[in-house]
Amino acid sequence: GAVVSQHPSRVICKSGTSVKIECRSLDFQATTMFWYRQFPKQSLMLMATSNEGSKATYEQGVEKDKFLINHASLTLSTLTVTSAHPEDSSFYICSASRGAEIEQFFGPGTRLTVL
Amino acid sequence: DAKTTQPPSMDCAEGRAANLPCNHSTISGNEYVYWYRQIHSQGPQYIIHGLKNNETNEMASLIITEDRKSSTLILPHATLRDTAVYYCIVRVFSGGSNYKLTFGKGTLLTVNP
Repeated sequence: GAVVSQHPSRVICKSGTSVKIECRSLDFQATTMFWYRQFPKQSLMLMATSNEGSKATYEQGVEKDKFLINHASLTLSTLTVTSAHPEDSSFYICSASRGAEIEQFFGPGTRLTVL
Repeated sequence: DAKTTQPPSMDCAEGRAANLPCNHSTISGNEYVYWYRQIHSQGPQYIIHGLKNNETNEMASLIITEDRKSSTLILPHATLRDTAVYYCIVRVFSGGSNYKLTFGKGTLLTVNP
């Protein structure tokens, strides 16, 4: 149990386009989902926390108008990178939690390359 | 800001126990210690968590000192597939009913044949 999937696993796009990444909890209801970013040889950096049906809470320095997060259901959250640029190229990872007291389960990640 | 300190790398022989230390001297009384690991280019995998008592599951054991300022993750019989970056994380309250994990640099454990 506690499986989280992401789609796509890899995406290459042109500079200036928008990319949507999906995160799904397959066998549990995720009241909270998290989005992280990981640059090469660095650790994971939390970008935002989203609760189902509420607006996401963004970490300091993360542009909410550039990284649009939607958490419309208990099993799906999406991250849209708008007007992507090469510096947005990174490994984007989501995680999901069943509640405030429970561990986070991570998806396999999405490798975004912006040309 | 990560509230933990870990050695950047460790080596372990296959079949032996791997003991990964972590310092979290500023931990608060109600903050949990979590351990995750990340194999290259994959999402982190949950291993174990604890508050003050020692914990054991099918993957590992977690030993937390009485003053809670440090802990040790023990993989009892390391295999080559346990080679990964291991993150020790103090879960902190982030407002509302939310908690967050702040990842530090972790320990790269290399299991050698």
